[in-house]
Amino acid sequence: GAVVSQHPSRVICKSGTSVKIECRSLDFQATTMFWYRQFPKKSLMLMATSNEGSKATYEQGVEKDKFLINHASLTLSTLTVTSAHPEDSSFYICSASSLDGGSEPQHFGDGTRLSIL
Amino acid sequence: GQNIDQPTEMTATEGAIVQINCTYQTSGFNGLFWYQQHAGEAPTFLSYNVLDGLEEKGRFSSFLSRSKGYSYLLLKELQMKDSASYLCAVLDSNYQLIWGAGTKLIIKP
Repeated sequence: GAVVSQHPSRVICKSGTSVKIECRSLDFQATTMFWYRQFPKKSLMLMATSNEGSKATYEQGVEKDKFLINHASLTLSTLTVTSAHPEDSSFYICSASSLDGGSEPQHFGDGTRLSIL
Repeated sequence: GQNIDQPTEMTATEGAIVQINCTYQTSGFNGLFWYQQHAGEAPTFLSYNVLDGLEEKGRFSSFLSRSKGYSYLLLKELQMKDSASYLCAVLDSNYQLIWGAGTKLIIKP
């Protein structure tokens, strides 16, 4: 099956630090990648959708300048949380859609747990 | 607006059967998905229904009725490791996944 690698799995850093999270599709080309955020005991919240070579589409209420997304190739997308603060602490998950669609619309990475002190 | 409803929490006994329901109202329909999510982990794909009827996969089955906007996930022979959240999601007319809030399933010995 399709594999999505997300790195790092856990980050603990000081307030004001910028944190970059990588999402790679290892064995398929991802036309679209999705970035989600999940707070404890809450459902997944879509933050943005990114297509290779174009600007990401952000959901309402998500700050573009705060959460920078780059989708430079068909196998890599990055999310940078700029000047992170404690309220940015959350579980961030990426997923990727393959060109051939199929019955599984999105393949998920393992997530990144971000803790801002 | 788009809406997906599923119970917040359910409790069942090891070895028993449990049915988790999901109702949806979305702009278009291109399939319904069930995902399992253990605490602190990313969701894992369980099933996909696009036509009415029952899809069986081992201990798990998923049912869909498009006319009723209704689906259920049936888990048989429950095991302790089945304790997790179960997320219902619908692919709308724009091929965007709309997520339910998830049902936390608690399995008791």
